[in-house]
Amino acid sequence: DAGITQSPRHKVTETGTPVTLRCHQTENHRYMYWYRQDPGHGLRLIHYSYGVKDTDKGEVSDGYSVSRSKTEDFLLTLESATSSQTSVYFCAISEKGSNTEAFFGQGTRLTVV
Amino acid sequence: GENVEQHPSTLSVQEGDSAVIKCTYSDSASNYFPWYKQELGKRPQLIIDIRSNVGEKKDQRIAVTLNKTAKHFSLHITETQPEDSAVYFCAASNGWGSGGGADGLTFGKGTHLIIQP
Repeated sequence: DAGITQSPRHKVTETGTPVTLRCHQTENHRYMYWYRQDPGHGLRLIHYSYGVKDTDKGEVSDGYSVSRSKTEDFLLTLESATSSQTSVYFCAISEKGSNTEAFFGQGTRLTVV
Repeated sequence: GENVEQHPSTLSVQEGDSAVIKCTYSDSASNYFPWYKQELGKRPQLIIDIRSNVGEKKDQRIAVTLNKTAKHFSLHITETQPEDSAVYFCAASNGWGSGGGADGLTFGKGTHLIIQP
């Protein structure tokens, strides 16, 4: 498996609180992605990064922000968590962009109560 | 943006039979079409992919076909086995969209493949 680790693996938080999820890779891949997975929706892109400090929005970016200060770390922040953000979050990395294989982390199950 | 439709949502086949999952995409500029398998509670993992300059690709019991004119692609699994039971996702990417190659994948909603003993 590619060296990609997500933390935490599980989290329960209250509505209105900020939450940060971390994705750490040891592959030195340039491209990193955050997806959310919900029943009936498949995987949907939240944000992506194409280098240190280079990020952009995906399909479902409202309510989320990201930061990438180092090649190996990509952080996803929910500024004020809502129940609609209850989901499983997957980080993915790829070496040469979205038309090459993406390797996924183990996922983070987030519950907002 | 890209839209990927996947059918069926659930597919039940007898062990040893073949399974076919179909996807259509909307963006004619898409040029990369991977298939991911996700077992229960696990991460998605690539099983096969195809690029727009190829019509068919095969890897042992798994094959993918692509029809660019019709904008659809399909996954074929032959001689199905119990370990093939999982959720399968198709995806599409325009590797050189506005994000300069980084735009990410657009996924179908998944097919739950059940292999009946």
